[in-house]
Parts: sequence; C-alpha cells; structure tokens
Amino acid sequence: KNEVEQSPQNLTAQEGEFITINCSYSVGISALHWLQQHPGGGIVSLFMLSSGKKKHGRLIATINIQEKHSSLHITASHPRDSAVYICAVRYGTDKLIFGTGTRLQVFP
Amino acid sequence: GAVVSQHPSRVICKSGTSVKIECRSLDFQATTMFWYRQFPKKSLMLMATSNEGSKATYEQGVEKDKFLINHASLTLSTLTVTSAHPEDSSFYICSALIAGPYNEQFFGPGTRLTVL
Repeated sequence: KNEVEQSPQNLTAQEGEFITINCSYSVGISALHWLQQHPGGGIVSLFMLSSGKKKHGRLIATINIQEKHSSLHITASHPRDSAVYICAVRYGTDKLIFGTGTRLQVFP
Repeated sequence: GAVVSQHPSRVICKSGTSVKIECRSLDFQATTMFWYRQFPKKSLMLMATSNEGSKATYEQGVEKDKFLINHASLTLSTLTVTSAHPEDSSFYICSALIAGPYNEQFFGPGTRLTVL
C-alpha cells in the first residue's frame, strides 16, 4: 500500500486553465515536497512545505496538516508546464516516500 | 535553490563493463546523499543512502557489490555499476540533503544508463 496517494494520475488541460493536483498521506509528516519531472528526466524541487501555503510565480502549494492533504495549483497553465508532478513526504527524519506522480499535458 | 549535478548525463556501455556516475553538490555541503533508480513511467526507487565518510546503507533487494557507492567528501558521491548487464539499464538520480530543521533535499538531473 502506497503511503502517498496522488490524484489524478493523468491530467490534460487547455492552455490558460487552472490546474489542481492533489496529494494525501497517511500519518503525520515532517515535510512534504512537490517535484517536477520533465520528459528527459531531470527533477526540479518546486516546494517544500511543513504548513500553510507557498507561492512561486504561477505555482501555489498548500498543505492541510489536520486533513493530511496537500494541493499543487498552476494558474494560467502553459504547454511548458507539461511534466510529471510528484508529491513526496518525509516522516520524521526518515527517507522520502514518493507518490506515483501526476502526468500533466497542457495543449495550446 | 541549491544545485546538484550529475555526470555523465547519458552513458552507453557494453555488457560486463563497469560504469561510474558522479553526483556533486555545487554550492553546499551534503552530509547525506541518496541514490535512486527510476524505471519508465514509474516512481523513484531508493537504492541507498550515502553518508560522508561511512559505508552506504542499501535498501532491501539492492546488491551492494553490484552498486558500489562512495561518499568521499561532503560534495561528491559516486555510484559504480559493476559488471553491468542490460537489466541494469535505467535512469539513475542522485539527491543531496541539507541537514537542518527542514532537511531540504535537492535532486540531480539524472543519468540515463543503457547497457548493450
């Protein structure tokens, strides 16, 4: 049983749409990461959260500790946002546990 | 954010040869580095945790004699795939940890290994 669940697994959108990707985890965590992986493989760390909300450009990440849930939002989506978005959590000081990823395709 | 580099980005080798992949933290010191393997359309699988100056800790099912890890300095860890076979072909990603209250982790760009 994967301790980190992401939804949806696949997502298509038209350029300009508002995108939401969800992540749920099972027990209390010390930190949650949102990662982006483009075709070709390189992984970029977008956010690390332990509470509240963070914003960077068109990306917004929120986390609700009580509900054990995080969301990644993309405003005014663009084809270059097409990638796999991965949620990863850390329990205490232990290793990261990765979600299965959400494959996003944004069409012009 | 902090930068982690990997070299080479892509390598093709013959079966039976050994391949070394380097992972460097460019602007910070990393006491801990992680090596992951990723199969097509799958999530990252942790292979081992590497601590500077000590032996790596391997995950269950990962052969330590096959995947040699050396973390000789605070900015460099290497993964050597020994006697490579076609089934070792994969995407290998390293990650470096900045220890602290948040344990922030940064990822390298990955190395695609193809064994013929």
